[in-house]
Amino acid sequence: GAGVSQSPSNKVTEKGKDVELRCDPISGHTALYWYRQSLGQGLEFLIYFQGNSAPDKSGLPSDRFSAERTGGSVSTLTIQRTQQEDSAVYLCASSLRGASGGAGEQFFGPGTRLTVL
Amino acid sequence: AQTVTQSQPEMSVQEAETVTLSCTYDTSENNYYLFWYKQPPSRQMILVIRQEAYKQQNATENRFSVNFQKAAKSFSLKISDSQLGDTAMYFCAFIHNNAGNMLTFGGGTRLMVKP
Repeated sequence: GAGVSQSPSNKVTEKGKDVELRCDPISGHTALYWYRQSLGQGLEFLIYFQGNSAPDKSGLPSDRFSAERTGGSVSTLTIQRTQQEDSAVYLCASSLRGASGGAGEQFFGPGTRLTVL
Repeated sequence: AQTVTQSQPEMSVQEAETVTLSCTYDTSENNYYLFWYKQPPSRQMILVIRQEAYKQQNATENRFSVNFQKAAKSFSLKISDSQLGDTAMYFCAFIHNNAGNMLTFGGGTRLMVKP
């Protein structure tokens, strides 16, 4: 079946503009994660959605970052008033949480490379 | 809080030889999972191997195996018979025994397999 997809693949924007990044998880996966991969900071967790529960936003770096997940499927990460330090690859992952718990494998998308000029 | 450390930013190995990538972690938890992910230039993160902390037996997946030392909080990856396609960034990652928690990644090791 189809894996996790993300769009756009690359995004170049001007400082101060808003951007939206999209993630389509694997069908049936209840958990969805956003990570940021940047040169200086490595891979950082941003936000996590699990079913209909309130998202875990503990990794969002500022209030300019927000995300939503509609209908338990597609997710959009929005960055308002982008800054040059927001330049990074934004990775989305999804997993199927087993009934017995345990760490379900996270399947990653190809990422969106964001460049803020 | 969990931390994951990969002390080798870059490594190289000749094709067909064996290479070991190091990873150490710090946690106060007792039940957790450890992973090695591969990220080729395509950016796609691919799971290479996983280890449950409660299992003493080291995980193996074909040419990939781990040396899991729980007391030492060490989780190294051994790649045998290295192939050119193994060239990639390798990330060690940790997750608490709860499918809802996020992965904590190490800084990565860039592996170059030379012909």
